[in-house]
Amino acid sequence: ETGVTQTPRHLVMGMTNKKSLKCEQHLGHNAMYWYKQSAKKPLELMFVYNFKEQTENNSVPSRFSPECPNSSHLFLHLHTLQPEDSALYLCASSQGTSGSINEQFFGPGTRLTVL
Amino acid sequence: AQRVTQPEKLLSVFKGAPVELKCNYSYSGSPELFWYVQYSRQRLQLLLRHISRESIKGFTADLNKGETSFHLKKPFAQEEDSAMYYCALWIEGGKLIFGQGTELSVKP
Repeated sequence: ETGVTQTPRHLVMGMTNKKSLKCEQHLGHNAMYWYKQSAKKPLELMFVYNFKEQTENNSVPSRFSPECPNSSHLFLHLHTLQPEDSALYLCASSQGTSGSINEQFFGPGTRLTVL
Repeated sequence: AQRVTQPEKLLSVFKGAPVELKCNYSYSGSPELFWYVQYSRQRLQLLLRHISRESIKGFTADLNKGETSFHLKKPFAQEEDSAMYYCALWIEGGKLIFGQGTELSVKP
């Protein structure tokens, strides 16, 4: 598999469940990102990791917990979500974060539905 | 505050007609802007960036700092241009601020 992959592609969960989203990049990049795409809202940056260190948390509620064990893998742990958290969650990666020349490559997304 | 505005949710044109997708931004720093595109059943991908001053698939975009705009243009639309288009502003730390997106529909 090349590029950025995300699993699962679709997830339905109850408000009391705990689940995790996984992202893997095969591009040799050092930076990874989580975005949220809700209906009728712009794509919103959630978290940025650079060399496994979190460099940005865009005021995301603590029920979303990211984890970056290495530069190739990024997880988003979900716990006690609300129905309004239903959205498409996109992962992206780039070579770095220090310049706009670092193009972000996106995964296909995980469609999350919270019942 | 940083913000990107795409005023049109949907833009519908006929094949061969000119296309202009509007994008306005608000940013106190030196702006660096991008257009991303998402074709049906495909992932979001970079179309072009202003710093490269390039033309991709016949599309161009000029940064106008006076009008704080970065409109995307193509002189003759093709059916395969139908997609969602997102304007994005890059700010320090690798953060991209996206607009709401414009759906372009090119009719035969």
